[in-house]
Amino acid sequence: GAGVSQSPRYKVAKRGQDVALRCDPISGHVSLFWYQQALGQGPEFLTYFQNEAQLDKSGLPSDRFFAERPEGSVSTLKIQRTQQEDSAVYLCASSLSGTVINQPQHFGDGTRLSIL
Amino acid sequence: KNQVEQSPQSLIILEGKNCTLQCNYTVSPFSNLRWYKQDTGRGPVSLTIMTFSENTKSNGRYTATLDADTKQSSLHITASQLSDSASYICVVRVGKTSYDKVIFGPGTSLSVIP
Repeated sequence: GAGVSQSPRYKVAKRGQDVALRCDPISGHVSLFWYQQALGQGPEFLTYFQNEAQLDKSGLPSDRFFAERPEGSVSTLKIQRTQQEDSAVYLCASSLSGTVINQPQHFGDGTRLSIL
Repeated sequence: KNQVEQSPQSLIILEGKNCTLQCNYTVSPFSNLRWYKQDTGRGPVSLTIMTFSENTKSNGRYTATLDADTKQSSLHITASQLSDSASYICVVRVGKTSYDKVIFGPGTSLSVIP
């Protein structure tokens, strides 16, 4: 498909386990964003990539969260030693160029993470 | 603090009726304002993008307005359909940033019933 693809769609993990969430952006999109969305709330910014460079990681809630985009396309969000408060939907979005003012972000359908 | 607020939190309307959703923001500097539709279990989808100089923008049965002086926006849905049931999220881009830094509102949950 031509959209942003995220996998897995659902992930259940026990507290303390590590998890890895994958995002395949739209081909050719320079900008990639990760967001965390709690139930009934709007998405909250986690981190931003321009190609392979992570230019803003100010939204990552702790050093247990790590994101990478080594070749400037696919990105992985890793959460180490998961805790119950990490339970949320994790959304990935991409856009052709983050510097052009009026381009929308295109979102994937998210990964719903549940920590038991 | 940059914030985006939306009202009402939730809304139930009959199929065929119109409705208006509200958004207030305190984001500064301001670049643009977007409305997204998010179906349950799906990612948000862009409906409109409005810049400082635009007062009104339409996309089918959706019409967005922007008053940059009062920092308010509205999304009007005409002749609602069952498929309009979703969360509608107001999103504001922060100006003078090197990338597309945006602030999301909490969303308005709309239910259209037959």
